[in-house]
Amino acid sequence: NAGVTQTPKFQVLKTGQSMTLQCAQDMNHNSMYWYRQDPGMGLRLIYYSASEGTTDKGEVPNGYNVSRLNKREFSLRLESAAPSQTSVYFCASSGFSGSSYEQYFGPGTRLTVT
Amino acid sequence: ILNVEQSPQSLHVQEGDSTNFTCSFPSSNFYALHWYRWETAKSPEALFVMTLNGDEKKKGRISATLNTKEGYSYLYIKGSQPEDSATYLCAFRYGGSQGNLIFGKGTKLSVKP
Repeated sequence: NAGVTQTPKFQVLKTGQSMTLQCAQDMNHNSMYWYRQDPGMGLRLIYYSASEGTTDKGEVPNGYNVSRLNKREFSLRLESAAPSQTSVYFCASSGFSGSSYEQYFGPGTRLTVT
Repeated sequence: ILNVEQSPQSLHVQEGDSTNFTCSFPSSNFYALHWYRWETAKSPEALFVMTLNGDEKKKGRISATLNTKEGYSYLYIKGSQPEDSATYLCAFRYGGSQGNLIFGKGTKLSVKP
């Protein structure tokens, strides 16, 4: 089991460029999430997908779009990158573990927008 | 607005010291409280999930308690080791078993040998 994988690990963009962050999980989880993590802030939810075919906005969705391509894959797209989107992005999936639901995180994508 | 507060923000201790930190969360609409351990350049790793008032969980030298009535959880580390150095995150799950998590900003622990 690879768990949750993300690509790329690092990316530098210029303002206005677009890119898609990829995430995949092999744990057959229904729910998947995208978070961003900034210095001095907790993990903030951008978008989530409770099941294949559904997506919902989280706390900080502006400037992002998502696609739940299938049960395994959940991508995050920046259509026109801005310096304010410089951050570390984490994908997570959620499944039942033991006695409760637990979130499992990918390794993160460090994005810099210049 | 749901808010999760962690204190202190950072903590420096000597190897062998025992330490604890606090997570405060809304006491209404509570479903679960999660603790994560987050090492630099890695992804958060689940430590505990607690759902019942009075829950206590233990993993090695690390333990946690939960008070849902007053809205706080404590994480304890007994005999800190340098490898315990990490950021410890708590997250509040509301609204049911698959409700979203609201994360605190974390407590950064540094353990000096």
